[in-house]
Amino acid sequence: GAGVSQSPRYKVAKRGQDVALRCDPISGHVSLFWYQQALGQGPEFLTYFQNEAQLDKSGLPSDRFFAERPEGSVSTLKIQRTQQEDSAVYLCASSLEGRTDYGYTFGSGTRLTVV
Amino acid sequence: QKEVEQDPGPLSVPEGAIVSLNCTYSNSAFQYFMWYRQYSRKGPELLMYTYSSGNKEDGRFTAQVDKSSKYISLFIRDSQPSDSATYLCARPTSYGKLTFGQGTILTVHP
Repeated sequence: GAGVSQSPRYKVAKRGQDVALRCDPISGHVSLFWYQQALGQGPEFLTYFQNEAQLDKSGLPSDRFFAERPEGSVSTLKIQRTQQEDSAVYLCASSLEGRTDYGYTFGSGTRLTVV
Repeated sequence: QKEVEQDPGPLSVPEGAIVSLNCTYSNSAFQYFMWYRQYSRKGPELLMYTYSSGNKEDGRFTAQVDKSSKYISLFIRDSQPSDSATYLCARPTSYGKLTFGQGTILTVHP
Protein backbone atom coordinates (compact mmCIF):
# COMPACT_ATOMS: atom_id res chain seq x y z
CA GLY A 1 0.00 0.00 0.00
CA ALA A 2 0.91 3.65 -0.20
CA GLY A 3 1.38 4.09 3.51
CA VAL A 4 1.53 2.33 6.85
CA SER A 5 -1.92 1.07 7.77
CA GLN A 6 -3.00 0.44 11.34
CA SER A 7 -6.19 -1.16 12.57
CA PRO A 8 -8.40 -0.63 14.36
CA ARG A 9 -8.18 3.18 14.46
CA TYR A 10 -9.99 3.25 17.80
CA LYS A 11 -10.37 0.56 20.42
CA VAL A 12 -12.22 0.70 23.72
CA ALA A 13 -11.38 -2.14 26.06
CA LYS A 14 -12.66 -3.01 29.49
CA ARG A 15 -9.97 -3.34 32.12
CA GLY A 16 -8.64 -6.87 32.09
CA GLN A 17 -9.52 -7.51 28.45
CA ASP A 18 -6.90 -8.62 25.92
CA VAL A 19 -6.41 -6.52 22.77
CA ALA A 20 -4.54 -7.00 19.48
CA LEU A 21 -3.40 -4.09 17.35
CA ARG A 22 -2.38 -4.61 13.74
CA CYS A 23 0.21 -2.86 11.59
CA ASP A 24 0.56 -3.25 7.82
CA PRO A 25 3.89 -1.64 6.87
CA ILE A 26 4.81 -0.36 3.44
CA SER A 27 5.57 -3.31 1.17
CA GLY A 28 9.25 -4.17 1.19
CA HIS A 29 10.09 -2.22 4.33
CA VAL A 30 12.52 -4.22 6.40
CA SER A 31 12.43 -2.27 9.66
CA LEU A 32 9.31 -1.95 11.79
CA PHE A 33 8.92 -0.06 15.07
CA TRP A 34 6.13 0.23 17.62
CA TYR A 35 5.79 3.34 19.75
CA GLN A 36 3.39 4.31 22.53
CA GLN A 37 2.21 7.93 22.74
CA ALA A 38 0.43 9.05 25.90
CA LEU A 39 -1.70 12.19 25.79
CA GLY A 40 0.45 15.30 25.60
CA GLN A 41 3.69 13.34 25.30
CA GLY A 42 6.08 12.38 22.55
CA PRO A 43 6.10 8.79 21.27
CA GLU A 44 8.01 6.30 23.41
CA PHE A 45 9.79 3.35 21.85
CA LEU A 46 8.34 -0.09 22.50
CA THR A 47 9.98 -2.60 20.16
CA TYR A 48 11.86 -3.04 16.86
CA PHE A 49 11.78 -5.72 14.17
CA GLN A 50 14.14 -6.31 11.30
CA ASN A 51 12.17 -8.59 9.00
CA GLU A 52 10.72 -11.25 11.32
CA ALA A 53 13.41 -10.90 13.98
CA GLN A 54 12.57 -8.88 17.07
CA LEU A 55 15.91 -7.23 17.75
CA ASP A 56 14.96 -4.84 20.54
CA LYS A 57 12.05 -5.15 22.95
CA SER A 58 13.55 -3.08 25.72
CA GLY A 59 10.70 -0.54 25.64
CA LEU A 60 7.88 -2.97 26.33
CA PRO A 61 6.56 -1.79 29.72
CA SER A 62 5.63 -5.19 31.14
CA ASP A 63 5.27 -8.83 30.25
CA ARG A 64 1.64 -8.10 29.39
CA PHE A 65 2.91 -6.58 26.13
CA PHE A 66 3.88 -8.88 23.29
CA ALA A 67 4.69 -8.16 19.64
CA GLU A 68 5.24 -10.40 16.67
CA ARG A 69 5.97 -10.18 12.96
CA PRO A 70 6.01 -13.84 11.91
CA GLU A 71 6.46 -13.40 8.14
CA GLY A 72 8.41 -10.19 8.15
CA SER A 73 5.53 -8.02 6.97
CA VAL A 74 2.37 -7.54 9.08
CA SER A 75 2.98 -7.03 12.78
CA THR A 76 0.66 -7.42 15.76
CA LEU A 77 1.03 -5.80 19.16
CA LYS A 78 -0.88 -7.69 21.83
CA ILE A 79 -1.69 -6.37 25.28
CA GLN A 80 -2.99 -8.83 27.83
CA ARG A 81 -5.12 -7.93 30.83
CA THR A 82 -5.29 -4.27 29.87
CA GLN A 83 -4.94 -1.62 32.57
CA GLN A 84 -6.01 2.01 32.55
CA GLU A 85 -2.40 3.14 32.23
CA ASP A 86 -2.27 1.34 28.86
CA SER A 87 -4.58 4.01 27.41
CA ALA A 88 -2.56 5.72 24.69
CA VAL A 89 -2.07 5.94 20.94
CA TYR A 90 0.01 3.06 19.59
CA LEU A 91 2.01 4.04 16.53
CA CYS A 92 3.70 1.78 14.02
CA ALA A 93 6.50 2.98 11.74
CA SER A 94 8.41 1.29 8.96
CA SER A 95 11.44 2.03 6.82
CA LEU A 96 13.48 0.36 4.10
CA GLU A 97 16.34 -0.06 6.54
CA GLY A 98 17.10 1.21 10.03
CA ARG A 99 18.96 4.18 8.65
CA THR A 100 18.72 7.54 10.30
CA ASP A 101 18.58 9.55 7.08
CA TYR A 102 15.78 7.53 5.51
CA GLY A 103 13.24 8.69 8.01
CA TYR A 104 10.28 6.59 8.84
CA THR A 105 6.74 6.42 7.66
CA PHE A 106 4.36 6.36 10.58
CA GLY A 107 0.84 5.07 10.55
CA SER A 108 -1.98 7.14 12.02
CA GLY A 109 -2.02 4.96 15.10
CA THR A 110 -4.54 3.03 17.13
CA ARG A 111 -6.09 4.99 19.98
CA LEU A 112 -6.67 2.58 22.85
CA THR A 113 -8.93 3.59 25.72
CA VAL A 114 -9.17 1.25 28.70
CA VAL A 115 -12.26 1.80 30.83
CA GLN B 1 17.24 13.56 32.96
CA LYS B 2 15.58 12.73 29.65
CA GLU B 3 17.82 12.40 26.61
CA VAL B 4 15.86 15.06 24.73
CA GLU B 5 13.79 17.76 26.45
CA GLN B 6 11.31 20.06 24.81
CA ASP B 7 9.09 22.86 26.05
CA PRO B 8 5.52 21.65 25.44
CA GLY B 9 4.13 25.14 24.94
CA PRO B 10 1.46 25.65 23.75
CA LEU B 11 2.66 28.33 21.37
CA SER B 12 0.21 30.61 19.58
CA VAL B 13 1.36 33.05 16.89
CA PRO B 14 -0.28 35.19 14.19
CA GLU B 15 0.01 34.21 10.55
CA GLY B 16 3.27 35.44 9.03
CA ALA B 17 5.24 35.32 12.27
CA ILE B 18 8.63 33.69 12.66
CA VAL B 19 8.37 30.69 14.96
CA SER B 20 11.21 29.32 17.04
CA LEU B 21 10.93 25.81 18.50
CA ASN B 22 13.63 24.48 20.78
CA CYS B 23 14.98 21.32 22.36
CA THR B 24 17.90 20.50 24.59
CA TYR B 25 19.76 17.21 24.71
CA SER B 26 21.88 15.60 27.37
CA ASN B 27 24.62 13.63 25.59
CA SER B 28 27.24 15.50 23.62
CA ALA B 29 27.93 12.31 21.61
CA PHE B 30 24.61 12.67 19.80
CA GLN B 31 25.22 13.65 16.19
CA TYR B 32 21.95 13.27 14.31
CA PHE B 33 18.75 15.09 15.12
CA MET B 34 15.37 15.09 13.47
CA TRP B 35 12.27 17.25 13.50
CA TYR B 36 8.88 15.65 13.04
CA ARG B 37 5.51 17.34 12.56
CA GLN B 38 2.37 15.65 13.86
CA TYR B 39 -1.09 16.80 12.90
CA SER B 40 -4.00 15.95 15.15
CA ARG B 41 -4.98 12.27 14.97
CA LYS B 42 -2.12 11.51 12.58
CA GLY B 43 1.29 9.91 12.92
CA PRO B 44 4.46 12.02 12.94
CA GLU B 45 5.99 12.90 9.58
CA LEU B 46 9.66 13.74 9.04
CA LEU B 47 10.31 17.43 8.40
CA MET B 48 14.08 17.64 8.54
CA TYR B 49 17.12 15.88 9.83
CA THR B 50 20.42 17.51 10.68
CA TYR B 51 23.88 16.24 11.38
CA SER B 52 26.28 17.89 13.79
CA SER B 53 26.47 21.63 14.12
CA GLY B 54 25.23 24.31 11.83
CA ASN B 55 22.12 25.18 9.91
CA LYS B 56 20.04 23.30 7.39
CA GLU B 57 17.39 25.09 5.36
CA ASP B 58 14.40 23.68 3.49
CA GLY B 59 11.96 26.23 2.18
CA ARG B 60 10.44 28.09 5.11
CA PHE B 61 12.07 25.74 7.63
CA THR B 62 15.55 26.03 9.13
CA ALA B 63 17.03 23.52 11.56
CA GLN B 64 19.94 24.55 13.75
CA VAL B 65 22.16 22.59 16.11
CA ASP B 66 24.40 24.24 18.68
CA LYS B 67 26.66 21.53 20.06
CA SER B 68 28.34 23.79 22.58
CA SER B 69 25.08 24.43 24.39
CA LYS B 70 23.38 21.13 23.37
CA TYR B 71 20.54 23.07 21.82
CA ILE B 72 18.41 22.16 18.79
CA SER B 73 16.16 24.70 17.11
CA LEU B 74 13.60 24.72 14.32
CA PHE B 75 12.65 28.06 12.79
CA ILE B 76 9.55 28.54 10.64
CA ARG B 77 9.41 31.69 8.52
CA ASP B 78 6.18 33.23 7.27
CA SER B 79 4.13 30.81 9.38
CA GLN B 80 0.81 29.64 7.95
CA PRO B 81 -2.33 28.26 9.64
CA SER B 82 -1.48 24.94 7.96
CA ASP B 83 1.67 24.84 10.12
CA SER B 84 -0.53 24.36 13.19
CA ALA B 85 0.57 21.01 14.58
CA THR B 86 2.73 19.40 17.25
CA TYR B 87 6.45 19.58 16.51
CA LEU B 88 8.68 16.85 17.88
CA CYS B 89 12.44 16.82 18.05
CA ALA B 90 14.08 13.40 18.06
CA ARG B 91 17.43 11.77 18.03
CA PRO B 92 18.05 8.38 16.41
CA THR B 93 20.25 5.49 17.54
CA SER B 94 22.57 3.73 15.13
CA TYR B 95 19.84 1.38 13.93
CA GLY B 96 17.15 4.00 13.84
CA LYS B 97 15.27 3.79 17.14
CA LEU B 98 14.00 7.29 17.90
CA THR B 99 13.97 9.09 21.23
CA PHE B 100 11.48 11.96 21.05
CA GLY B 101 11.02 15.12 23.02
CA GLN B 102 7.64 15.85 24.56
CA GLY B 103 6.49 17.89 21.55
CA THR B 104 5.50 21.56 21.24
CA ILE B 105 1.93 22.39 20.24
CA LEU B 106 1.90 25.24 17.73
CA THR B 107 -1.16 27.20 16.63
CA VAL B 108 -0.90 29.77 13.84
CA HIS B 109 -4.02 31.91 13.75
CA PRO B 110 -5.15 33.89 10.70
